[in-house]
Amino acid sequence: ETGVTQSPTHLIKTRGQQVTLRCSSQSGHNTVSWYQQALGQGPQFIFQYYREEENGRGNFPPRFSGLQFPNYSSELNVNALELDDSALYLCASSLEVRVAGANVLTFGAGSRLTVL
Amino acid sequence: DQQVKQNSPSLSVQEGRISILNCDYTNSMFDYFLWYKKYPAEGPTFLISISSIKDKNEDGRFTVFLNKSAKHLSLHIVPSQPGDSAVYFCAVKGATNKLIFGTGTLLAVQP
Repeated sequence: ETGVTQSPTHLIKTRGQQVTLRCSSQSGHNTVSWYQQALGQGPQFIFQYYREEENGRGNFPPRFSGLQFPNYSSELNVNALELDDSALYLCASSLEVRVAGANVLTFGAGSRLTVL
Repeated sequence: DQQVKQNSPSLSVQEGRISILNCDYTNSMFDYFLWYKKYPAEGPTFLISISSIKDKNEDGRFTVFLNKSAKHLSLHIVPSQPGDSAVYFCAVKGATNKLIFGTGTLLAVQP
């Protein structure tokens, strides 16, 4: 059983650029969520994808967008990068979006983005 | 507006003793409460959870206590081991299925 894998692990961009982060879900999981973890903070929910459609969004501007593909992998795109976008971006997969339980997420190791 | 607070940024405990990590939340509508553990350069890993209809859940050395009237959650680790040294996040889940995390507590277990 493979876990959640993310790429790239580290990247550096400059303000105003665009970035795409990628995530492969754990085998058998059909729901993907993205979280942003700034330094010294807990992960913050960006959005969730289920059946290739956005299924819930946190308090992030529209320049944060995503995709989910038929194989349940996902991308996070951020346009017009700002310095405050520097953070660890975590992808998490789960079995079913409407699970009536604890909704245990399996996280990847994250992509660390630095915006200069 | 922080809905989940972990007021202790760090905690140091001797090996073999009990570690107690605390978490406070503001919204009584949350239905599940979870603890995640995070090692450096790794993603958070699920540790234990508790439903809002229970007040205690135990899994080996880990026990989570829920005090709904106080809106307080705690994680007890006993006995603590050096391998438990990590950042611990509490998280809550409401109707939307998203998790809201606290800011984390860095636990250091001294040999």
